[in-house]
Amino acid sequence: LAKTTQPISMDSYEGQEVNITCSHNNIATNDYITWYQQFPSQGPRFIIQGYKTKVTNEVASLFIPADRKSSTLSLPRVSLSDTAVYYCLVGPYGQNFVFGPGTRLSVLP
Amino acid sequence: DAGVIQSPRHEVTEMGQEVTLRCKPISGHDYLFWYRQTMMRGLELLIYFNNNVPIDDSGMPEDRFSAKMPNASFSTLKIQPSEPRDSAVYFCASSFGQGTYNSPLHFGNGTRLTVT
Repeated sequence: LAKTTQPISMDSYEGQEVNITCSHNNIATNDYITWYQQFPSQGPRFIIQGYKTKVTNEVASLFIPADRKSSTLSLPRVSLSDTAVYYCLVGPYGQNFVFGPGTRLSVLP
Repeated sequence: DAGVIQSPRHEVTEMGQEVTLRCKPISGHDYLFWYRQTMMRGLELLIYFNNNVPIDDSGMPEDRFSAKMPNASFSTLKIQPSEPRDSAVYFCASSFGQGTYNSPLHFGNGTRLTVT
């Protein structure tokens, strides 16, 4: 499975756009990129998934460059309730369920 | 759907006792996963099932841990005997068709286990 590297923590202020980058230099051709969000005392929750270029849903956008060696989760106009741990997972169908340490995002007022 | 249901939410037990954690996956899901989360080790995959059959249990820490899935709507994770180092939050997750696009994991709210 491709190894992923994310910042351990990030701080932001309410109303700002937050970009969390995940590096996955040895991503394989059949690997997909999936992001989860975990609030305290809850299980992780799926946010978004993509293979290449850009994916957008009601919660976030996922930007994947042509070489796919990294990906960026973009959260528009964050609020205090977006304070959570964000996980980037990389793997093929059927094997995309190994979590790393994630990025702890703190949104400040 | 009510989502993945885990019980109990909290469990406090003494070292040496048997502990059983329970999980009801989302109806229709064919994959079930057990994870353990601690501050030191993060979120670790313990075991997962496909169509009630264990596929990979390489994450199970030792023989004290066992997991079963007798039918599509129920799974248990048992620790016998329990030790203080087993204290953690245990999550169950389910998904449909891991081999297809956009088949995310759906997690329960976890069981917080404390072994004294």
